[in-house]
Amino acid sequence: DVVMTQSPLSLPVTLGQPASISCRSSQSLVYSDGDIYLNWFHQRPGQSPRRLIYKVFNRDSGVPDRFSGSGSGTDFTLKISRVEAEDVGVYYCMQGTHWPWTFGQGTKVEIK
Amino acid sequence: EVLLVESGGGLVQPGGSLRLSCAASGFIFSSYELNWVRQAPGKGLEWVSHISGSGSATYYADSVKGRFTISRDNAKNSLYLQMDSLRAEDTAVYYCARSRRRSLDYWGQGSLVTVSS
Repeated sequence: DVVMTQSPLSLPVTLGQPASISCRSSQSLVYSDGDIYLNWFHQRPGQSPRRLIYKVFNRDSGVPDRFSGSGSGTDFTLKISRVEAEDVGVYYCMQGTHWPWTFGQGTKVEIK
Repeated sequence: EVLLVESGGGLVQPGGSLRLSCAASGFIFSSYELNWVRQAPGKGLEWVSHISGSGSATYYADSVKGRFTISRDNAKNSLYLQMDSLRAEDTAVYYCARSRRRSLDYWGQGSLVTVSS
């Protein structure tokens, strides 16, 4: 199975400051069609996960542009340009290239 | 509006069975693949199973293979997860999630399954 490794696992941030989460896969996530099926999700406490980013850098409708995704091959990053209070919660990366689909361990973002 | 509503969770003894359901609305049900994803208390997300739009193709995580069966009824806009031989480690919130282009774009609110004697 593809192992997804996130870092850091805990990220205290100051409101208005940037934040960055890394996600590394144990093998390439390039699918046979040439696309990379790497996704980012955000889960607020007591809520269901919500997708933020798909195929590395594509933002979902309604996701603020302060969120951006980047990366290639096995290294990926989610960046928040200026953290707001509503951004707290746990962020997960997930690969959909190889079966079984696998998630990272999650990164808990909290306000300092 | 896309809606996914899970039901059927509850308390079950080890070795027992339970059937989860997911009622879908707001999209052309048969055109989309569907999944079950679970989250043990205080833990991360684990993909469990996937079914194609027609129901002809299914995939399972190794942890549930041979014990869980995913199915769908396109006439009823419903997804199911039959869970047999349940273990304590199957205790989790089970989410129904729609997928498209190898991603999970909409999630339900989840249904709690507790396996305990």
